[in-house]
Amino acid sequence: TQLLEQSPQFLSIQEGENLTVYCNSSSVFSSLQWYRQEPGEGPVLLVTVVTGGEVKKLKRLTFQFGDARKDSSLHITAAQTGDTGLYLCAGAWAGKSTFGDGTTLTVKP
Amino acid sequence: SAVISQKPSRDICQRGTSLTIQCQVDSQVTMMFWYRQQPGQSLTLIATANQGSEATYESGFVIDKFPISRPNLTFSTLTVSNMSPEDSSIYLCSVFQETQYFGPGTRLLVL
Repeated sequence: TQLLEQSPQFLSIQEGENLTVYCNSSSVFSSLQWYRQEPGEGPVLLVTVVTGGEVKKLKRLTFQFGDARKDSSLHITAAQTGDTGLYLCAGAWAGKSTFGDGTTLTVKP
Repeated sequence: SAVISQKPSRDICQRGTSLTIQCQVDSQVTMMFWYRQQPGQSLTLIATANQGSEATYESGFVIDKFPISRPNLTFSTLTVSNMSPEDSSIYLCSVFQETQYFGPGTRLLVL
């Protein structure tokens, strides 16, 4: 079974601060996805990283895939209240996804 | 991309009853996935539903408790049978088309 560990589990910060969420595994994945989920909704895909060492930027969000394709990080610069939500990483292998435990982010005004 | 709808969006049920959740996709897909997300937690895969064959269940989930139908390539149902309060969760339908897409979920509360 492929496991993904996310840290931290909970994060509460002030608007304008930076933060990093980590997603770690002992398994190799063919790709890794980051999702954001708001209350009452399903997860929405933010990004997919495929190549080891890959870095992708989505406005204030920076995603990195580890060189060995076992871990990833999500960095948010100058967080806004609209960034509040549950962030999930998911590793894909053989057509299936394994989800991390999630990071609940609260950005306070 | 894939657009997924689910019915009902939420329900409150009495213990011992059953609820069938419907999932509709706007395109034909080979595999459809059913997940459970308990309050404040991540997603756990219940089963994978292929059209024309029995669903494949993950460890800890059985067909008698979560029967699944997959009558065509755009539709699936998940039934939560003989419900107990521990079944209170969000149930999510998902498909994989190069990447994974999720429905909005069905929020179930069992009293």
